[in-house]
Amino acid sequence: AQSVAQPEDQVNVAEGNPLTVKCTYSVSGNPYLFWYVQYPNRGLQFLLKYITGDNLVKGSYGFEAEFNKSQTSFHLKKPSALVSDSALYFCAVRNSGGYQKVTFGTGTKLQVIP
Amino acid sequence: DGGITQSPKYLFRKEGQNVTLSCEQNLNHDAMYWYRQDPGQGLRLIYYSQIVNDFQKGDIAEGYSVSREKKESFPLTVTSAQKNPTAFYLCASSIDHEGVSYEQYFGPGTRLTVT
Repeated sequence: AQSVAQPEDQVNVAEGNPLTVKCTYSVSGNPYLFWYVQYPNRGLQFLLKYITGDNLVKGSYGFEAEFNKSQTSFHLKKPSALVSDSALYFCAVRNSGGYQKVTFGTGTKLQVIP
Repeated sequence: DGGITQSPKYLFRKEGQNVTLSCEQNLNHDAMYWYRQDPGQGLRLIYYSQIVNDFQKGDIAEGYSVSREKKESFPLTVTSAQKNPTAFYLCASSIDHEGVSYEQYFGPGTRLTVT
């Protein structure tokens, strides 16, 4: 069975500082990995994905994520946090073979402090 | 929220009543999904559909039913058999290229409260 772990329920960071939201996964075969963001009472918005290729993936709003196969991690990063980045972030994984359902993590609340 | 609409945004029902949540997409996506979101539990898959007139149960399908008569529409019915129906319900769709689905696009959600 595949799974996703987001070990931090909440991450606090000062505006202008770099931010990291952690994600580790477990899946058989090659993973497809995703990050989504959710603002209060809204649906999720896609940020970025890793399918294959470069381990460093760049996405929307200045976010990037690094795929580390040996550590089975896909941490979300941004060099300089904005107050508007405050939201709930979800990591998700699926197996690369054929149609497979996506498994979401439980989410990490990011609070950027002015 | 892209080209996916969910209605209504808030829905209130009495216990024992069935209720249908609407989901429409104009993205021409083949695959559509229904998730339930509860605090601290992430998203849990209720049903998904890869093509018209076909759908599969997800992890928590008991007490729910769906239909997929049109590519654009994937309504979810929460029946009286669902023991804890109060939740935030999210519909999503994705491109299905040669049997492989990638990122999902989500609607704005429907918050259902059953009393």
